Amino acid sequence: EAGVAQSPRYKIIEKRQSVAFWCNPISGHATLYWYQQILGQGPKLLIQFQNNGVVDDSQLPKDRFSAERLKGVDSTLKIQPAKLEDSAVYLCASSRRGTIPYGYTFGSGTRLTVV
Amino acid sequence: SQQGEEDPQALSIQEGENATMNCSYKTSINNLQWYRQNSGRGLVHLILIRSNEREKHSGRLRVTLDTSKKSSSLLITASRAADTASYFCAPLGGNTGKLIFGQGTTLQVKP
Repeated sequence: EAGVAQSPRYKIIEKRQSVAFWCNPISGHATLYWYQQILGQGPKLLIQFQNNGVVDDSQLPKDRFSAERLKGVDSTLKIQPAKLEDSAVYLCASSRRGTIPYGYTFGSGTRLTVV
Repeated sequence: SQQGEEDPQALSIQEGENATMNCSYKTSINNLQWYRQNSGRGLVHLILIRSNEREKHSGRLRVTLDTSKKSSSLLITASRAADTASYFCAPLGGNTGKLIFGQGTTLQVKP
């Protein structure tokens, strides 16, 4: 099966600019996750979707981050305006459903550098 | 949801040696998953062990789970340079399907 697709692969922006990331999960995977991974740390969950509904966005900085998953397939994550501390790799993952016992499939991530 | 704590934080071994990394967690789980992350890439699911299992094998990987001690270990036998990566455990309890990752163990296998 095709993997989780993410784009762009790299992005460099100035602080206070806006940026958007795109994710296309594996076909049929109902659950989609966005993670933020700062260099040297483990991935931190930002938001979890089940189909097109948000299950958990408790760790999403909602003053500047937003995410949507229209039609329960593709998803976009937006940062507006970006701060220096947003420099990180943004990982998208999907799984067959939100409950156990399935593993996640991760995309290769988008590396964001805010200067 | 809970986070696993991996130990050691870093491990350096020679090719051909075995690598063991450990994971501890705090509350009851349904299963525990291990993931690998090569530098600059996404995480790859390695193995899932259910709470009623004590040991599981997959190729050169051996995972054990001790629910009484709330701990798991990942053993990589006959390591190769290509095993150089960060390894994360993710204990999963409840019904949310939400994986929380710790800092991971960084493994370096020297050729």
